[in-house]
Amino acid sequence: DVKVTQSSRYLVKRTGEKVFLECVQDMDHENMFWYRQDPGLGLRLIYFSYDVKMKEKGDIPEGYSVSREKKERFSLILESASTNQTSMYLCASSLYPSGGASYGYTFGSGTRLTVV
Amino acid sequence: AQRVTQPEKLLSVFKGAPVELKCNYSYSGSPELFWYVQYSRQRLQLLLRHISRESIKGFTADLNKGETSFHLKKPFAQEEDSAMYYCALSGGNFNKFYFGSGTKLNVKP
Repeated sequence: DVKVTQSSRYLVKRTGEKVFLECVQDMDHENMFWYRQDPGLGLRLIYFSYDVKMKEKGDIPEGYSVSREKKERFSLILESASTNQTSMYLCASSLYPSGGASYGYTFGSGTRLTVV
Repeated sequence: AQRVTQPEKLLSVFKGAPVELKCNYSYSGSPELFWYVQYSRQRLQLLLRHISRESIKGFTADLNKGETSFHLKKPFAQEEDSAMYYCALSGGNFNKFYFGSGTKLNVKP
């Protein structure tokens, strides 16, 4: 029944490392999103993708990049990890609402990243 | 600019009491409003959508465009309702969602 899978539940990385967070969905959704979730700040959009090889910046893209080579996979990359990137990272996917109402997101279980 | 405001970080009620989680939004067009819930150690999941006008787990939410609000209500809270609740707005292109900062609901026995 699991539809959005994030490859790691917990990660600990060192400052300056390049970090890859992977997300795979099996629902054939066009849209995929990366958020970070921090207490008191809610969910903030980092990047999203509406098609293969297409990407758009969200509200807080600095220090991050993304890759979408296949429809089902959306990767978040921390080019040089810093301690202020310690957070819970959530991946989500959705259908593109072609004129109809949105069905909402399906979320992954999250990756808790600690940068030391 | 789009914005979702949840003024309460924490809401504590006793079992059986009514509960209302507040959500206000700002958006220039016609938004779609949602409530998401995250139970302890579980993934974030959709609770309800304003367009469905449904009741899920006894919760309801009415979109009030005049007050730009979408408050979540339940007449009799249960202990299993204890969770983090996020109000979200979807609008514009690409089905992007904008989330509030969340309200933690604690239902005491």
